[in-house]
Amino acid sequence: QKEVEQDPGPLSVPEGAIVSLNCTYSNSAFQYFMWYRQYSRKGPELLMYTYSSGNKEDGRFTAQVDKSSKYISLFIRDSQPSDSATYLCAMKDTNAGKSTFGDGTTLTVKP
Amino acid sequence: DGGITQSPKYLFRKEGQNVTLSCEQNLNHDAMYWYRQDPGQGLRLIYYSQIVNDFQKGDIAEGYSVSREKKESFPLTVTSAQKNPTAFYLCASSPTAIYGYTFGSGTRLTVV
Repeated sequence: QKEVEQDPGPLSVPEGAIVSLNCTYSNSAFQYFMWYRQYSRKGPELLMYTYSSGNKEDGRFTAQVDKSSKYISLFIRDSQPSDSATYLCAMKDTNAGKSTFGDGTTLTVKP
Repeated sequence: DGGITQSPKYLFRKEGQNVTLSCEQNLNHDAMYWYRQDPGQGLRLIYYSQIVNDFQKGDIAEGYSVSREKKESFPLTVTSAQKNPTAFYLCASSPTAIYGYTFGSGTRLTVV
């Protein structure tokens, strides 16, 4: 079983919808949680970085971490066609020195 | 502008050849990483380095080699021992091990 499981998608929503992207994990040592956005044929870019449990908001994006349930989410409000991309969750523990990634969820926002 | 530069963007390799992918960063980051991405799959770690002259194997290191002689540079060699090298290769860096990554734009390697 993989350490990080991500909702596979693909996901297709109309413009303006609220999008929820989710990952679960099994390693309780994970302390740092990240979301990356990857456009087709490009390198991923870091969207959100959070430490431990709680919420973090940045514009239309909200990252949520629930360590007790080993569950993280990324919410996108007022989704736009430019949000169409693959979203990757990633996690680290303090000692590992490296991130473990989910397989990604591909999102399409239709005008 | 600071960032990570990967070259070449596209690379074609004949069976039995070794090829080297370049990764250079001017972000003054200590840690550097190589990942492989196959269609519809997530990122799998090949090698990583947290300081100069030191590196560790990732989950799929067989058939690959790296060096870290300078802080700015972390080249990846895909050897003939790698049985299925066709993939998208991504280099990344971070200030320290706990922070998120800055990625390069990737190298797409195809075996012909």
